[in-house]
Formats: sequence, structure tokens, C-alpha cells
Amino acid sequence: AQSVSQHNHHVILSEAASLELGCNYSYGGTVNLFWYVQYPGQHLQLLLKYFSGDPLVKGIKGFEAEFIKSKFSFNLRKPSVQWSDTAEYFCAVNHGGATNKLIFGTGTLLAIQP
Amino acid sequence: DTAVSQTPKYLVTQMGNDKSIKCEQNLGHDTMYWYKQDSKKFLKIMFSYNNKELIINETVPNRFSPKSPDKAHLNLHINSLELGDSAVYFCASSHSLAGAYNEQFFGPGTRLTVL
Repeated sequence: AQSVSQHNHHVILSEAASLELGCNYSYGGTVNLFWYVQYPGQHLQLLLKYFSGDPLVKGIKGFEAEFIKSKFSFNLRKPSVQWSDTAEYFCAVNHGGATNKLIFGTGTLLAIQP
Repeated sequence: DTAVSQTPKYLVTQMGNDKSIKCEQNLGHDTMYWYKQDSKKFLKIMFSYNNKELIINETVPNRFSPKSPDKAHLNLHINSLELGDSAVYFCASSHSLAGAYNEQFFGPGTRLTVL
């Protein structure tokens, strides 16, 4: 079965620190990859997505992610975090097909200390 | 303008009761979804409807019955509520263009607490 792993369950950083959140998936075929963010008390929002082409994708709010096919990874990065980045971050995979089903990782809670 | 809305936002009820959660989207999408987020924040798809037709049913107990009266609405009815049903339920919607991934837009969630 397909699965998505996020190894960091809880990350605490100071403002201006650099961020990298890990994401690995298990599906061997063509995949679409996503990072969603859930700010406290809010709904899920799409940060960025990868379908094809340049494996380095840029998203909103200064986030980027790199798809490394050989490692089955799609890590999220941001060079300098802000207090407002405090949120839960979810990696998700979709392998296309008729159902458009998203499979989510377990999430990483990011806390930024001012 | 609210794109995907859910009511109620919070729902507290006793075991054994029957309850419904409503979802509406005004994005003109033809596919809607229900996801369950458990206490550990793990998100898992439950159902998906396309043009009022069920296309995903992820081994959810049959106490859960989705109903889609039209493309813009997907309601979730839960019978005989159990403690383990306590979770946040998210509705989402998307287009269903063939051969492409269609971004899903999520609602604000309904926090269900079963006592």
C-alpha cells in the first residue's frame, strides 16, 4: 500500500533559522506531490505542488521543495523562518487516476520561537 | 467569500446518538471529499463523490453514510456514534478534469467530540 512518511513529528526553531522538513513516499510509479499547511485553528492550505518538470518547486510564503525521485523524497525547505510559520505541515501524495485520492503523511508540528 | 464551508464547526454529543455534518462549496467543483483527522493529526480520506456518485469509500464503517443531494453539497451522517469517532472531519472539493491532478480545497473542519 502507498504510504507517506514524515520523520519529524515536532520541530522547534528560532526565528530566522533555516527549515527542512522530510517527506518520503512509498509508491513506485508516477506521483504528484504536495505540501499542505494548517495554521492553528484553520483549514488546510496548499503550500506547493509537484507534477512534473523542474524538481525544485517554489511555493507560497517563501517555501520550496525538491523532488528527488531516486530517494522517493520531497523535502520542504525555507531559508529563514518567521514566527508566523508556526503550523502543522503535511506532505501528501497522489498518483493520478480517476479517484484523485490524496494520501497524507502524519504531519510535522513546527513551532517558531520569537 | 467562503469557498468550502462546513457546519457545525463544533459538535459535542453522547455515544449512541446520530448526527450530521454538512458541507457546501461555491467553487463550481464537481467532486467532493470527506477526510478524518484523528487525535494524532493523521488525515485519511473517507469518501469521495463525483457528480453525486460515490467514487471512493475507504473501508469506513457503514454507520457513516455520505449523501450528496447535488454537486455543491456533500453531507456526512453518522449513526450510533462511538468514542472512536471523535475527530476533526474535513470536507474538500475539486474539479475532476480527466488526466490531470485537480487541487483539492479544504473546508475549516468540524470537531466532533463523542462523550
